Amino acid sequence: DGGITQSPKYLFRKEGQNVTLSCEQNLNHDAMYWYRQDPGQGLRLIYYSQIVNDFQKGDIAEGYSVSREKKESFPLTVTSAQKNPTAFYLCASSAGAPYTEAFFGQGTRLTVV
Amino acid sequence: GEDVEQSLFLSVREGDSSVINCTYTDSSSTYLYWYKQEPGAGLQLLTYIFSNMDMKQDQRLTVLLNKKDKHLSLRIADTQTGDSAIYFCAEGRSDDMRFGAGTRLTVKP
Repeated sequence: DGGITQSPKYLFRKEGQNVTLSCEQNLNHDAMYWYRQDPGQGLRLIYYSQIVNDFQKGDIAEGYSVSREKKESFPLTVTSAQKNPTAFYLCASSAGAPYTEAFFGQGTRLTVV
Repeated sequence: GEDVEQSLFLSVREGDSSVINCTYTDSSSTYLYWYKQEPGAGLQLLTYIFSNMDMKQDQRLTVLLNKKDKHLSLRIADTQTGDSAIYFCAEGRSDDMRFGAGTRLTVKP
């Protein structure tokens, strides 16, 4: 089955720690995206990548980092510089720009303890 | 403004029609989307419409697009309890996709 997989589903982080959220897709999509979802707000774009070894900042990139070494993978690191990291994180992929249908993973809920 | 806007809540009775409204921002957006999110899950694409269309129907779903007013609506006919979820409107731009805050649809029996 083709799809996009995020792991883990739940993640707990102590203050001051970096954590990495995994996103893998086997859809052969060029483009991948990370969004953050907070209650009562729309999805906000953190980073996106249109092609391997290239990525761009979205609206709220501060405190986050990404890499795109392989087409299938787009991990997101939430660094200690992110002051309010508790949120639901969604990864998506699409065939490419102009923006076509995006397929979403099931999300990772990150909680700072 | 910069935001895609939706009302946050809608409550209907089972069997009634639901209409969820959205205004978007970029008149050059090529695609407009409706996504459904169930609790604790990712977003599932329900339907989309090309910007050169006025209407699209897909079983119980009808999408209406008014490009002049940048207004998009989703009508769900014969709404069922299983339709209870958050519905996101999104506009597809050249580089990214912008989402509204989501409309929480509650269907009462």
